[in-house]
Amino acid sequence: QKEVEQDPGPLSVPEGAIVSLNCTYSNSAFQYFMWYRQYSRKGPELLMYTYSSGNKEDGRFTAQVDKSSKYISLFIRDSQPSDSATYLCASPPGDSNYQLIWGAGTKLIIKP
Amino acid sequence: ETGVTQSPTHLIKTRGQQVTLRCSSQSGHNTVSWYQQALGQGPQFIFQYYREEENGRGNFPPRFSGLQFPNYSSELNVNALELDDSALYLCASSSGQGRGDYGYTFGSGTRLTVV
Repeated sequence: QKEVEQDPGPLSVPEGAIVSLNCTYSNSAFQYFMWYRQYSRKGPELLMYTYSSGNKEDGRFTAQVDKSSKYISLFIRDSQPSDSATYLCASPPGDSNYQLIWGAGTKLIIKP
Repeated sequence: ETGVTQSPTHLIKTRGQQVTLRCSSQSGHNTVSWYQQALGQGPQFIFQYYREEENGRGNFPPRFSGLQFPNYSSELNVNALELDDSALYLCASSSGQGRGDYGYTFGSGTRLTVV
């Protein structure tokens, strides 16, 4: 079992829809959670960074962490074609904060 | 535009050869990490350097080695290339004092193809 799991998709939704992207993790030591966006032929770009359980909002993006169920989510409101990318969740393991453990990413397609 | 620059963008090498990939980190970022990303997968941690010393290593063999220089540049060297080394190699920098939980700024990567 991988430490961080994501549905690879692709997830295809119409422009303007609310998008829900999810990750599950198995290591209770994970404390920090990050969402990265990766466009084709580019490196990952940090979108959101959360520490505690609950919600964190930044513009059209909301990150949600439920540590009791080891479940993290990223919601995108009013989705745009420019949001089409692969979204990866990542976390530094609690015993070695120098690295990130990544999910495989979910490919998102926003149809105009 | 990202503050992390990687070169070259693409590279084709023959099995058994050696390769050096280069990265120029964002100014002031004293931590640099290298990741390998296979197609359709998340990045895999290779190693990290903090103030020119390796302070963490993932599950990669010794033929993967690195250097970090005082001018915020770094190198990833891979000896005895294997076909499975074909991947996107990402450099990431952080001001997090060697901690990954501060978030990284990634370069666009070097696409290495081993034939």
